[in-house]
Amino acid sequence: NAGVTQTPKFRVLKTGQSMTLLCAQDMNHEYMYWYRQDPGMGLRLIHYSVGEGTTAKGEVPDGYNVSRLKKQNFLLGLESAAPSQTSVYFCASRTGSSYEQYFGPGTRLTVT
Amino acid sequence: RKEVEQDPGPFNVPEGATVAFNCTYSNSASQSFFWYRQDCRKEPKLLMSVYSSGNEDGRFTAQLNRASQYISLLIRDSKLSDSATYLCVVTLSGGYNKLIFGAGTRLAVHP
Repeated sequence: NAGVTQTPKFRVLKTGQSMTLLCAQDMNHEYMYWYRQDPGMGLRLIHYSVGEGTTAKGEVPDGYNVSRLKKQNFLLGLESAAPSQTSVYFCASRTGSSYEQYFGPGTRLTVT
Repeated sequence: RKEVEQDPGPFNVPEGATVAFNCTYSNSASQSFFWYRQDCRKEPKLLMSVYSSGNEDGRFTAQLNRASQYISLLIRDSKLSDSATYLCVVTLSGGYNKLIFGAGTRLAVHP
């Protein structure tokens, strides 16, 4: 039981490049989330999903897209990276019956 | 105004000390309350939920004052391993139970 895993762990992009961050969970959780964490700020919700095939915008969705084609996977895409997207990205998941969210180890992204 | 506010610290305390963290939230419709712990360069992990009646888990005590929109965490007999950032987290009602995170309070326990 690996919990929540994220791929890759680190990435450096140039402005304008695209990439996809992968989140996978093996706990059969319904809800999945993508957050970003910046210095001096709390985690901010980018997008979330309440089940396979569904996604919705969070607090800071601009510049990101997501997909949840399989229950266990939640993908975060950056179509045209910008330096403002330099951050640490965390994925999280939870069951429908508990507020506790389980986080992945994070992806450190730098956009130059 | 931030939805969840915390003193960023750092709190530098010796082993064995008692330390208290405070947190205020702005939305009176907030539904559930938590403390998460985040070690340096790691993911957040749930430390404990916070109930209106107050609750204790070993050396940790959490309290909630809904009237003042205030949450606290007390750590007794601090250990070196308690060094981390403590995140105050609040949920609002809604279909996806959005978590709102404070920026965290950093604790450094020294020998």
